[in-house]
Amino acid sequence: AQSVTQPDIHITVSEGASLELRCNYSYGATPYLFWYVQSPGQGLQLLLKYFSGDTLVQGIKGFEAEFKRSQSSFNLRKPSVHWSDAAEYFCAVGASRGSTLGRLYFGRGTQLTVWP
Amino acid sequence: GAVVSQHPSRVICKSGTSVKIECRSLDFQATTMFWYRQFPKQSLMLMATSNEGSKATYEQGVEKDKFLINHASLTLSTLTVTSAHPEDSSFYICSADPGQPVSYEQYFGPGTRLTVT
Repeated sequence: AQSVTQPDIHITVSEGASLELRCNYSYGATPYLFWYVQSPGQGLQLLLKYFSGDTLVQGIKGFEAEFKRSQSSFNLRKPSVHWSDAAEYFCAVGASRGSTLGRLYFGRGTQLTVWP
Repeated sequence: GAVVSQHPSRVICKSGTSVKIECRSLDFQATTMFWYRQFPKQSLMLMATSNEGSKATYEQGVEKDKFLINHASLTLSTLTVTSAHPEDSSFYICSADPGQPVSYEQYFGPGTRLTVT
């Protein structure tokens, strides 16, 4: 069965500092991996995704993530955080085959607080 | 960009009544829509996959008779919580996939906060 673990429930960083949010997944086949951001009152927004190819993927808002198959990880990074990045971040794995094709399974989320 | 709306955004109902939540894709058609439930400080839990013109597929542990899903058109899916109880209080989120049948480009609605008193 597929699962996603985000070990950090809450992270606090200073504005301008670098950021890394951790994500580990479990899936029996080649995973499709995603990072979403959720702000209050708004729907989840896709930051980036990995299907295949280059393991370092670039997303919107200056975010990037690296797929490491050996570590079953897909960590999200940003070199310099802005106050507007404060939100809830979710990692998700997409079922790439079988009867669950197309479905997304989410981690519990990491709440990011940014100090001025 | 692709927009998904949900209505209502908030609803309070009495225990034992039914509540219907609508999910609409405003500028694209979606063969497949998904319904999630989110508890405070927790993950989005996939409840069911809604397929236009066919029965929904429910995840294990989700009561299909309690959470009725109808996907009557390519732009509308509804979730009806029947005989609601306080434990059904939660944040319900839908998403729509414009693929044929799926593209993994799920667009999410803003969510509906259900409170059962």
